[in-house]
Amino acid sequence: EIVLTQSPGTLSLSPGERATLSCRASQTVTSNYLAWYQQRPGQAPRLLIYGASSRATDIPDRFSGSGSGTDFILNISRLEPEDFAVYYCQQYGNSPKTFGQGTKVEIK
Amino acid sequence: QVQLVESGGGVVQPGRSLRLSCSASGFSFSAFAMHWVRQAPGKGLEWVAVISYDGSDTVYADSVKGRFTVSREDSKNKVYLEMSRLRVEDTAVYYCARDSVSYCGGGSCYSHDFWGQGALVTVSS
Repeated sequence: EIVLTQSPGTLSLSPGERATLSCRASQTVTSNYLAWYQQRPGQAPRLLIYGASSRATDIPDRFSGSGSGTDFILNISRLEPEDFAVYYCQQYGNSPKTFGQGTKVEIK
Repeated sequence: QVQLVESGGGVVQPGRSLRLSCSASGFSFSAFAMHWVRQAPGKGLEWVAVISYDGSDTVYADSVKGRFTVSREDSKNKVYLEMSRLRVEDTAVYYCARDSVSYCGGGSCYSHDFWGQGALVTVSS
């Protein structure tokens, strides 16, 4: 199975700053089928990005995804208070689907 | 609006069985594959299973294969996860989630665009 490694484990930033989250796959993700999810405490995950770079419905444009092959990035251009959460990448191009271990974005 | 509501969670002894249900509303249920994803306490997400839009295909994670069964009942807009021979390591919040692409009929399908709030399953003696 494909192992996804997210870095850093924790990102400490202030509101208004830019966040850059990394997701590296152990092998090529088929068709760049890579998604990003946000999970706030006590809530279900929310789909942000699919197909590596397409924003899901109603997702603000401060969220952007990029990358291909084995290296993917989620950028949050200017952090809002509600963006402090845990972010997971997921590859769904190969079975079984797998998630990364998560990156926590916390308030500095 | 799309809503997914899980039920059936609880405390169960190792080796016993439990069935989770997920009730869907706000979309054409029979057009979408449905997934189960779980999250152990304080841990990350683990994909568990998927059933195709027409129920003809199911795929499971190796960790649950042979013990868990996913099924659907389109007349009731419900998807189920039958869990047997439960282990302590199956303790988790179980989420049902909709596939993000309609009419996925085989394989493990795509990402998950809507999620329920989850049902907690605790396996303990």
